[in-house]
Amino acid sequence: ILNVEQSPQSLHVQEGDSTNFTCSFPSSNFYALHWYRWETAKSPEALFVMTLNGDEKKKGRISATLNTKEGYSYLYIKGSQPEDSATYLCAIKSGGFNKFYFGSGTKLNVKP
Amino acid sequence: SQTIHQWPATLVQPVGSPLSLECTVEGTSNPNLYWYRQAAGRGLQLLFYSVGIGQISSEVPQNLSASRPQDRQFILSSKKLLLSDSGFYLCAWSTGGQGAYNEQFFGPGTRLTVL
Repeated sequence: ILNVEQSPQSLHVQEGDSTNFTCSFPSSNFYALHWYRWETAKSPEALFVMTLNGDEKKKGRISATLNTKEGYSYLYIKGSQPEDSATYLCAIKSGGFNKFYFGSGTKLNVKP
Repeated sequence: SQTIHQWPATLVQPVGSPLSLECTVEGTSNPNLYWYRQAAGRGLQLLFYSVGIGQISSEVPQNLSASRPQDRQFILSSKKLLLSDSGFYLCAWSTGGQGAYNEQFFGPGTRLTVL
């Protein structure tokens, strides 16, 4: 079982603020990192898949970076909007099997 | 397109009663299937995964079991529920194989309360 940690546990920001949070994981046997967005009363949906050290992904105002050597990924949201309010999960896939290990998530609340 | 169904949506069961949660996937074949649980205030914990019919791997020892009687059907069961089995259960599927980019697609979840 892989230990995946996310911080902070929760975050309250004002509309228009930029924010970022962290996913930390063991750097050994790394295969891939997936970011998911989980809105209340909905199912988690994939945001990004990252595999290479130094990877950067962007989708609209959301972007992510990956450092596999030191075992962390950052998720950034520029100019937060109320509709960004959700729990953001990261999951690590280790080599060998198609298994995912999730962190406990960062719950983001954006106030209008 | 692919869809994933999970039922029931909510369930309230007494301690010691049996459990059966069902998950089915449409629009794909030979998927990898997963059961996760989110206990109150915690993250998603992988309970079981399956790469094919009758092939079940358990991640943690627990009071639950899983079965895959058909290619696109995944069932989570218990003979006697414990209070600690309460939580939100999610079924998910991904494309078969071990590709790094095989993202998971989640069902709507089941809220289980054991009293």
